[in-house]
Amino acid sequence: TQLLEQSPQFLSIQEGENLTVYCNSSSVFSSLQWYRQEPGEGPVLLVTVVTGGEVKKLKRLTFQFGDARKDSSLHITAAQPGDTGLYLCAGAGSGYALNFGKGTSLLVTP
Amino acid sequence: GAGVSQSPSNKVTEKGKDVELRCDPISGHTALYWYRQSLGQGLEFLIYFQGNSAPDKSGLPSDRFSAERTGGSVSTLTIQRTQQEDSAVYLCASSFSGGRETQYFGPGTRLLVL
Repeated sequence: TQLLEQSPQFLSIQEGENLTVYCNSSSVFSSLQWYRQEPGEGPVLLVTVVTGGEVKKLKRLTFQFGDARKDSSLHITAAQPGDTGLYLCAGAGSGYALNFGKGTSLLVTP
Repeated sequence: GAGVSQSPSNKVTEKGKDVELRCDPISGHTALYWYRQSLGQGLEFLIYFQGNSAPDKSGLPSDRFSAERTGGSVSTLTIQRTQQEDSAVYLCASSFSGGRETQYFGPGTRLLVL
């Protein structure tokens, strides 16, 4: 059962464009994390959001946690080729294992 | 080392053979996790070790999969009688104390079963 649905699955844009990636679920999560994974590497944590409605900014990346703590979004402003990678959202429920979405594969071309 | 290390980085095996995958967590981290990442799929939780407690094996897909953690540090994931559907990237992560602590991932072992 895939608890977290990410969209779009693939995204190819040109440098300088803006984009938004969505992570949706019917389940409530105590926290939600966003990871970025590059080929041949493991996922690297970008941010953790905990409070419903919370917005966190990391340079050109803006993360938002839905009011009901069921969904989240990642917005990238003025994308750069270095942003290319697989973006994964993961929700923490009552246990310790993270529930991951399938990811959004982003390609930013110069 | 500074991060989680895994070996081998790549493994090609024949159907029916056994394989062992190794994970060295970050020194001092008491919690260790194994995940599987199949093509087009998200990370799937396999097993969790926390200190000296009994591991949570609820994510293991079949009895062909097993894992152990010796001395609270290094962990080995063993897949017996491998099948083609076992082909995936096997990722190990560790965290300082489990719970809501940040999980740090290793680079993974890419397993291909022919």
